[in-house]
Amino acid sequence: KAGVTQTPRYLIKTRGQQVTLSCSPISGHRSVSWYQQTPGQGLQFLFEYFSETQRNKGNFPGRFSGRQFSNSRSEMNVSTLELGDSALYLCASSLTLYEQYFGPGTRLTVT
Amino acid sequence: EDQVTQSPEALRLQEGESSSLNCSYTVSGLRGLFWYRQDPGKGPEFLFTLYSAGEEKEKERLKATLTKKESFLHITAPKPEDSATYLCAVQVNSGSRLTFGEGTQLTVNP
Repeated sequence: KAGVTQTPRYLIKTRGQQVTLSCSPISGHRSVSWYQQTPGQGLQFLFEYFSETQRNKGNFPGRFSGRQFSNSRSEMNVSTLELGDSALYLCASSLTLYEQYFGPGTRLTVT
Repeated sequence: EDQVTQSPEALRLQEGESSSLNCSYTVSGLRGLFWYRQDPGKGPEFLFTLYSAGEEKEKERLKATLTKKESFLHITAPKPEDSATYLCAVQVNSGSRLTFGEGTQLTVNP
């Protein structure tokens, strides 16, 4: 069974630009969550989507947004990038409310 | 506010030297406590979920236990391939989000 896939794996952007990251969950999983991982803050929850609806949201500014499609694939968007947005962005999918399985992440560098 | 604290921050062991990692938590209404392993440059790999105090789960050289205030990840006779960062996370009854600790970076020397 294929795991969670994320594209692209690496990305370099300039301050002020916007970026879109993609996540394909494990087949059959309908919940997709996004997390940001940085050396200083660790892993922090961004938001969760289930059946195309945002079900939960973390404490991030409105520049961070996401969506989920009918096939459960999800995208997150960050607008007006700041240097502090440099991080590993992780997507996790789950079948139930419990175990979440993570993808390899997208490494975003903002210069 | 939910809080998760892991200790130690870093642990260096010799191959075969057993030890334990600690995860203490303060939450309202624990739904589950999760252990993950993360290798450099990769996403966290799911290891265990524990749901209630007294529960134990094992996988190869790893054994996770849970009390009402903390969880332990016991590593028996570790090998160099067990070197990784071990993350603990909690999920509360009110939602699906995971709240993570800062992790314990484990190094096992041959």
